Amino acid sequence: ELKVEQNPLFLSMQEGKNYTIYCNYSTTSDRLYWYRQDPGKSLESLFVLLSNGAVKQEGRLMASLDTKARLSTLHITAAVHDLSATYFCAVDMAGSQGNLIFGKGTKLSVKP
Amino acid sequence: EADIYQTPRYLVIGTGKKITLECSQTMGHDKMYWYQQDPGMELHLIHYSYGVNSTEKGDLSSESTVSRIRTEHFPLTLESARPSHTSQYLCASRGYYGYTFGSGTRLTVV
Repeated sequence: ELKVEQNPLFLSMQEGKNYTIYCNYSTTSDRLYWYRQDPGKSLESLFVLLSNGAVKQEGRLMASLDTKARLSTLHITAAVHDLSATYFCAVDMAGSQGNLIFGKGTKLSVKP
Repeated sequence: EADIYQTPRYLVIGTGKKITLECSQTMGHDKMYWYQQDPGMELHLIHYSYGVNSTEKGDLSSESTVSRIRTEHFPLTLESARPSHTSQYLCASRGYYGYTFGSGTRLTVV
């Protein structure tokens, strides 16, 4: 059974600081996704990571994937208030024909 | 511009009523999914479909049912709504480049 664990679950940051969210998964995966969700809203796709060593960056967010360690990170650089949201990682289980398994989410609050 | 549409966006309904949550996509994707999410919590897969006339139950037990008569349409039905069904329901479809999520239906059963 595929399990996806995120930590931390809650993160309070000051503006301008850096931090990393971690996503561990338990079995071989085809793809790893990062999503952002604002309160009461749907999911916004941030990154799709397809292979070992993949690194993608968009603005102040950078995601990486280490398939050997079964670990993905979402790094936040110089946080701003607009980044406050819940961030989910999700994993495609290999051979599952595409059923996403989600982590519990990391609720990020960026304070002035 | 959304390529996957969910209606209604919000729904408040009385206990015992039958409801259908609509989900349609214009991308021609074969794979579609329904997720249930309580506020601020993780998403749980409740139903999925790999194509027309294909439906399967997901990891989370649900009293809802789904149908897939047309590729673009994947409605979810609750025969008799209960307060425990209060939640947000997200529909998604999967293409080559990944998943697209609808805007969700926030259901409240009173």
